[in-house]
Amino acid sequence: KQEVTQIPAALSVPEGENLVLNCSFTDSAIYNLQWFRQDPGKGLTSLLLIQSSQREQTSGRLNASLDKSSGRSTLYIAASQPGDSATYLCAVRSYNTDKLIFGTGTRLQVFP
Amino acid sequence: GAVVSQHPSRVICKSGTSVKIECRSLDFQATTMFWYRQFPKKSLMLMATSNEGSKATYEQGVEKDKFLINHASLTLSTLTVTSAHPEDSSFYICSASTGTESSYNSPLHFGNGTRLTVT
Repeated sequence: KQEVTQIPAALSVPEGENLVLNCSFTDSAIYNLQWFRQDPGKGLTSLLLIQSSQREQTSGRLNASLDKSSGRSTLYIAASQPGDSATYLCAVRSYNTDKLIFGTGTRLQVFP
Repeated sequence: GAVVSQHPSRVICKSGTSVKIECRSLDFQATTMFWYRQFPKKSLMLMATSNEGSKATYEQGVEKDKFLINHASLTLSTLTVTSAHPEDSSFYICSASTGTESSYNSPLHFGNGTRLTVT
């Protein structure tokens, strides 16, 4: 059974810092890994999707990497801003089941 | 891009009543839809996978008689919470997929969620 874990569970930093959020998964048989952002009480915003054959994806200040063999992904946020405050979720789409399994999430707070 | 519409966004109901949540794919045919539940400050838990025209597949521990899922068309899936109780209060989110091979490597798109409060 696929299990997805994220560390840290919560993070509070001053603006301007570069951040690394971690995601690990137990079954490497995946189609892809997706990073989402969720604001309080809201739905999900897709940030980046990395195919199983890819190593990384970039969008603006965000960079996500994938090491499928070791079951790890990182989301790098450069020059963090208060507007980045949200919960960040990683999710893997399992090859065998087609299901998207979510990680435990990292609650990020960036203060001015 | 693909849009998934979920309705209602918020609902309050009394214990013992049933509540229906709709999930629609607006610009594509969704062969497969997924229903998730999210407890406060927790991650999303997959409840069930519904395929158009067939019975939903429920995850372990999810009561299928409690959470009725109907996927009667390629653009609509519904989740009905039957005989709701306060412990059913939660945030419910759906997502949709074309279910084709090419879709497996595409981002899954999500509805904006439904906040259910049972009093």
